[in-house]
Amino acid sequence: EVQLVQSGAEVKKPGESLKISCKGSGYRFSSYWIGWVRQMPGKGLEWMGIIYPGDSDTIYSPSFEGQVTISADTSISTAYLQWSSLKASDTAMYYCVRRPSGTKDYYGMDVWGQGTTVTVSS
Amino acid sequence: QSVLTQPPSASGTPGQKVTISCSGSSSNIGSNTVNWYQHLPGTAPKLLIYANDLRASGVPDRFSASKSGTSASLAISGLQSEDEADYYCAAWDDSLSGHVVFGGGTKVTVL
Repeated sequence: EVQLVQSGAEVKKPGESLKISCKGSGYRFSSYWIGWVRQMPGKGLEWMGIIYPGDSDTIYSPSFEGQVTISADTSISTAYLQWSSLKASDTAMYYCVRRPSGTKDYYGMDVWGQGTTVTVSS
Repeated sequence: QSVLTQPPSASGTPGQKVTISCSGSSSNIGSNTVNWYQHLPGTAPKLLIYANDLRASGVPDRFSASKSGTSASLAISGLQSEDEADYYCAAWDDSLSGHVVFGGGTKVTVL
């Protein structure tokens, strides 16, 4: 079974760093893009960026460029989303997604992780 | 403010047909394919439609979609109670370095 399993909920203080993870299984991890999608409380979905684990090619949404770092480790089939200094406005649910290779999101995001809740509060 | 525009809500009674619109521009829907996602309460979103009108694996044929110019639409025929969810359109946007943009989402209520 193809699945993405994300790390557990996090509660952090403003200014702290954080790295959440997403482990893929049931498919060749290095051959599919892995992305991250944010959902702030009561709001819609926002695409943050994607990485191709095979060569680490990374594309960020302009809204998130410089705010987060997306990375991947093919040896353990795991992708990461990290912050160096969290803000209260980073409080949200974060989903990792799998995207088949293809022109400009042709196939969409076909597998979703269960989500990781990040709460940033003093 | 989302790049793609969807109505915030839509509703229908069981068995009815509901249609959701998604409006974009030449840099996204006008030049790329549209995907649709269903987000049921308390679950992760799920791919419903990809490449404008192709149903993802396991999606019933009650769900259909189309695209014309810079707009797209999702139709749910034979509405069922389990269809009550948020629906999002998404497309690649060629502006800047290229990225995916979502609509703001449409809450479908089954009356």
